Amino acid sequence: EPEVTQTPSHQVTQMGQEVILHCVPISNHLYFYWYRQILGQKVEFLVSFYNNEISEKSEIFDDQFSVERPDGSNFTLKIRSTKLEDSAMYFCASSEGVVQPQHFGDGTRLSIL
Amino acid sequence: QQQVKQSPQSLIVQKGGISIINCAYENTAFDYFPWYQQFPGKGPALLIAIRPDVSEKKEGRFTISFNKSAKQFSLHIMDSQPGDSATYFCAAIKAAGNKLTFGGGTRVLVKP
Repeated sequence: EPEVTQTPSHQVTQMGQEVILHCVPISNHLYFYWYRQILGQKVEFLVSFYNNEISEKSEIFDDQFSVERPDGSNFTLKIRSTKLEDSAMYFCASSEGVVQPQHFGDGTRLSIL
Repeated sequence: QQQVKQSPQSLIVQKGGISIINCAYENTAFDYFPWYQQFPGKGPALLIAIRPDVSEKKEGRFTISFNKSAKQFSLHIMDSQPGDSATYFCAAIKAAGNKLTFGGGTRVLVKP
């Protein structure tokens, strides 16, 4: 069964450094998402992306965050200047269309020191 | 109004028993209600989903019941097995939207 793959599985970064999280969505999907889950808390929406532009973003997704689809298969989340509170699991997801099942990767654990 | 409230936070059930998880929402614009299962160290995996024009949907041992007037929906896991031990999240998405709003999660432990 096709799956969403994320790399790295764990990223440790110094506060203030830039970090890029990588995702390969399911190949025939058109909508891409990033969510995060702080330890012990619920999954929170960050951003959705369609047709090479952001379609919706949350309050969490401020100017420090950006997303990009640099080629036909990858989807990245960049955090420019990381803060301690950015420590979380970051999940990438994809779907065929709107209001369609979203399939998640296994996440990247981001630890900010 | 964007919240989805989930209860209980945790649940212990004996093998063969029924696990019941409840969710409630406020926003009547929500139009699609999936349930996700998450094992430690893994991402949420879609389990079953329902749209508000249906009152019940069953897939194997998993059943969603939906009460549109009460703005509530629930997941029933029949004949619970130790392998069902996981965290379960309800979620909702608006019509023509693509942002999943998750409930707080329920940690289910099935004792053998």
